[in-house]
Amino acid sequence: DSGVTQTPKHLITATGQRVTLRCSPRSGDLSVYWYQQSLDQGLQFLIQYYNGEERAKGNILERFSAQQFPDLHSELNLSSLELGDSALYFCASSAAGLYGYTFGSGTRLTVV
Amino acid sequence: GENVEQHPSTLSVQEGDSAVIKCTYSDSASNYFPWYKQELGKGPQLIIDIRSNVGEKKDQRIAVTLNKTAKHFSLHITETQPEDSAVYFCADTGKNRDDKIIFGKGTRLHILP
Repeated sequence: DSGVTQTPKHLITATGQRVTLRCSPRSGDLSVYWYQQSLDQGLQFLIQYYNGEERAKGNILERFSAQQFPDLHSELNLSSLELGDSALYFCASSAAGLYGYTFGSGTRLTVV
Repeated sequence: GENVEQHPSTLSVQEGDSAVIKCTYSDSASNYFPWYKQELGKGPQLIIDIRSNVGEKKDQRIAVTLNKTAKHFSLHITETQPEDSAVYFCADTGKNRDDKIIFGKGTRLHILP
């Protein structure tokens, strides 16, 4: 157990729907990062939050949004889902001032 | 860091032999280079990292080398074992410790019996 908790582990939904993925970082970690992993795209950075504030943004679609709450957990919202959004979504967290981060075990999203 | 090139994309080595994976980066301000191992069905796990003030770092059978002038770094695995079979990602971050990490596209390592 890495200490980063992601729920749910699997999600199957239909095109056009909206889903919410949840991440609880390791205790004390202030930064949360979201990544998308498709079969042929490696790990694509989506967005980073630090202590509730957006810190950096990657190639995140306008249909996707995220937030980090006062208790530091984060949610990634995916709307108007398309078949191409099927992927593994990983959350990672890091401690302030330290290098490297810890990944959760991911949420596998299947859009049908 | 904004761009990391990794090769090869697939590597097969005989059990007991060595494996080398190479990466190049573009941002000269980058100063932290981690390597992650991803096993099937799991999230990436940090296995070793190197900072720009160090040229080489070793941890048992794995080692990482860094050439800042040439902007490339490599992962070396010696005496490979079946459990080394996985996808390996090199990565690069910016000059700040909390910067986002940009990953290479990964190398699928197969250890042949």
